[in-house]
This record gives sequence, structure tokens and C-alpha cells, in this order.
Amino acid sequence: GAVVSQHPSRVICKSGTSVKIECRSLDFQATTMFWYRQFPKQSLMLMATSNEGSKATYEQGVEKDKFLINHASLTLSTLTVTSAHPEDSSFYICSASLLPRHASYEQYFGPGTRLTVT
Amino acid sequence: AQTVTQSQPEMSVQEAETVTLSCTYDTSENNYYLFWYKQPPSRQMILVIRQEAYKQQNATENRFSVNFQKAAKSFSLKISDSQLGDTAMYFCAFNNNDMRFGAGTRLTVKP
Repeated sequence: GAVVSQHPSRVICKSGTSVKIECRSLDFQATTMFWYRQFPKQSLMLMATSNEGSKATYEQGVEKDKFLINHASLTLSTLTVTSAHPEDSSFYICSASLLPRHASYEQYFGPGTRLTVT
Repeated sequence: AQTVTQSQPEMSVQEAETVTLSCTYDTSENNYYLFWYKQPPSRQMILVIRQEAYKQQNATENRFSVNFQKAAKSFSLKISDSQLGDTAMYFCAFNNNDMRFGAGTRLTVKP
């Protein structure tokens, strides 16, 4: 149980275009979803937290107009990288939590999406 | 802000031997959760073990166990009978509303 999927697993886009990454909880309802960014050989950096039906909370230094997050249902959150640039190339990982944010316990991680901007 | 420190960027161990990965954290909170995650080359994050801060007993999951020292804010992971499949990046994580990860330790199990 507690499986999280991400789509696509890999995406290549041209500079200036937008790309959407989907994160789905397959067998549970996720009240909270998280988006992370991971540079090569580095740790995961939390970008934002999203709760179903409300606006995402972004970490300091993350541009909310560039990284649009939508959590439209209890099983789906999307991250849209707008006007992508080569420096946005990275590995993006989502995770989902079963419990409300204030009682966060374990997060279940998706397999990640490798974004390459040319 | 909570910080998590993993002071060993790389470790290696012979197959079947035991290795301990260190982790310290800084927080003023009393209730929180600690985790060790494994990230193999596939980059899928896999939960290895978790510990609730209010529990004094150290968590154990088969070959994996932790040494949780709350006063010292230390949370080390011991892997017994290391296997080749244990080769991966290991991340220590602190969770109290938001998950914060350490920089990771790259573990290589040598045959």
C-alpha cells in the first residue's frame, strides 16, 4: 500500500516552454503532498507543501510564479515549471502524507522526474 | 529551524560486516519523528526505519537498527550483515510538520 506515482519519469523541453509533472497517490488519499528538488549528488530540498483545495506553501527562495503547484484532489498534485530555463534542469520528487500536515508522520515518495531543459 | 547533519559523505563496508551511519540534528521541539531513507541508483526513496521521539526504545527492522539518543540529538543507523543490495545513498530525516534531510551518506558494500 501507499504507492505514489509520478509522470513523466523523464522529460526534455526547450528553454522558454512550460512542463507539467503529475504526482498521484494510487491507493490512498493524500491530504498533503510535498515537492522536492534534488541536484546531482545532493540531498532533497523541499520546494513546497500543498494541501488539497488550498494554495501551496512555498519554501523561502522558491519562486511560486515559476513553480506552479495545484492540488486539485486528494490523489493528484501537479507541478508546472513555467518558462523553463536550463538551470531548472533537475530531479523533482513528490511525496504524499496520509495525515494532516500538523501531524505529519511518514511521507511516501514518488519515483521522481528528471527534467532536462535544452 | 531544524537542521540535520550527516558527517560521513561516504562509507564502505565488506559484505556481511556491520556498519554504522551517523546523524545528528538540532531542534527545540520535543515531539518529532526521525527517519532513515535509502536512495539506490534508481533514485526511488525507500523508508528504512523510523523512530518517534517520545519512544525511548530504539527502533529495529530486521538488519537495521538505530541508536537514538534524544538528549544528545543523535540518531545513528546500524546495518548488520551488510548485503550488496544495501549499496545506496542513505538520508537521515527529521520531521515535525516539514521533512528535513541530511546531506546523505553514500554507502558502498564491497563483495
